[in-house]
Amino acid sequence: GAGVSQSPSNKVTEKGKDVELRCDPISGHTALYWYRQSLGQGLEFLIYFQGNSAPDKSGLPSDRFSAERTGGSVSTLTIQRTQQEDSAVYLCASSLGTGSLFEQFFGPGTRLTVL
Amino acid sequence: TQLLEQSPQFLSIQEGENLTVYCNSSSVFSSLQWYRQEPGEGPVLLVTVVTGGEVKKLKRLTFQFGDARKDSSLHITAAQPGDTGLYLCAGAATGGFKTIFGAGTRLFVKA
Repeated sequence: GAGVSQSPSNKVTEKGKDVELRCDPISGHTALYWYRQSLGQGLEFLIYFQGNSAPDKSGLPSDRFSAERTGGSVSTLTIQRTQQEDSAVYLCASSLGTGSLFEQFFGPGTRLTVL
Repeated sequence: TQLLEQSPQFLSIQEGENLTVYCNSSSVFSSLQWYRQEPGEGPVLLVTVVTGGEVKKLKRLTFQFGDARKDSSLHITAAQPGDTGLYLCAGAATGGFKTIFGAGTRLFVKA
């Protein structure tokens, strides 16, 4: 079946503008993760959704970042009043369940550039 | 705060050479995973190790989980240009869902 998809693949915006990044997880996957990857770096955890439970937002770097997941499927990551340091690749992953033994399937990412 | 340190950060070798990359932490993990990421794509899972001292082999790749479950290594035998990529280790604490990623080892295999 189809993998995790993300859109847009690239986004260039001006400092101060808001952006929305979309993630379509694999059908049936209850867990959804957002990560941020800066150039040459590893993955920084941002937020996690599991079923109908309250999301874990502990990784969000500031209150300019928010995310929602509608109907337990599609997720949107919103960054308000973007700053240049927000430039990075934003990766979404989904998995069948929670816990360390479940494989996370990653999308190709959205490359965000804030000018 | 749990951290995973990977070494080396960058490795450039000739085709046919062997190499080992390391993933170390002061924390105990219930499991460790190794992912490989190619440019423009998301990481893809290679292996999960869950038992201290466990060794898993995947063709020319050998993965080991330390006895104390604080470290892991990835050994590649007779590297090929197709092995080029960013190798990430990731760990989860016991009972936890949050996966901590290392900064990665960027491998370049020259033909």
